[in-house]
Amino acid sequence: SQQGEEDPQALSIQEGENATMNCSYKTSINNLQWYRQNSGRGLVHLILIRSNEREKHSGRLRVTLDTSKKSSSLLITASRAADTASYFCATMDTGRRALTFGSGTRLQVQP
Amino acid sequence: DAGVIQSPRHEVTEMGQEVTLRCKPISGHDYLFWYRQTMMRGLELLIYFNNNVPIDDSGMPEDRFSAKMPNASFSTLKIQPSEPRDSAVYFCATSDGEKGPNQPQHFGDGTRLSIL
Repeated sequence: SQQGEEDPQALSIQEGENATMNCSYKTSINNLQWYRQNSGRGLVHLILIRSNEREKHSGRLRVTLDTSKKSSSLLITASRAADTASYFCATMDTGRRALTFGSGTRLQVQP
Repeated sequence: DAGVIQSPRHEVTEMGQEVTLRCKPISGHDYLFWYRQTMMRGLELLIYFNNNVPIDDSGMPEDRFSAKMPNASFSTLKIQPSEPRDSAVYFCATSDGEKGPNQPQHFGDGTRLSIL
């Protein structure tokens, strides 16, 4: 079953703008991960944040984690047309190795 | 280094037929996961293995589904008999668990299965 909802379900922005996606979850976690999926392809890992971390950066990506609110956000700065894809958050529950995925956000970046 | 390799990429078959999906993990990865993606249910875990041993098969929908990992280089997901509601994209993913739980999973490109 899906862990929770992602918000928004779809997002359309212009190239150069920032994109923010949010994710909620329900359980106690080891970590939270973000993945990108281009149409017709598999998921590609973007970034992992551990349960004891609050913020992490990787290139144009910034992830925050609030374990008290059981929520996370992914910020993509200075977006590019190539960022157009679906983005999924996934949680790894404490004591497990499998991931539980959110419902995903479809991001469209207009050139 | 080659990624996770899945075959076939596409499979179209008639209801009642047996379907076998295949996965070759990244060399050295000791965890292997099978996920299914549909519009209605999103991405959901079916089963996962550690060192070729099934750890959690609670996501396998019913007895028509079975998965095996006879060795560290190969896994299969079998559906017998297949039904139209099994139509979905099936993903295999692997990870290096020896480095601890905080590791990414690496996904194959999936098998798009259509049951007519």
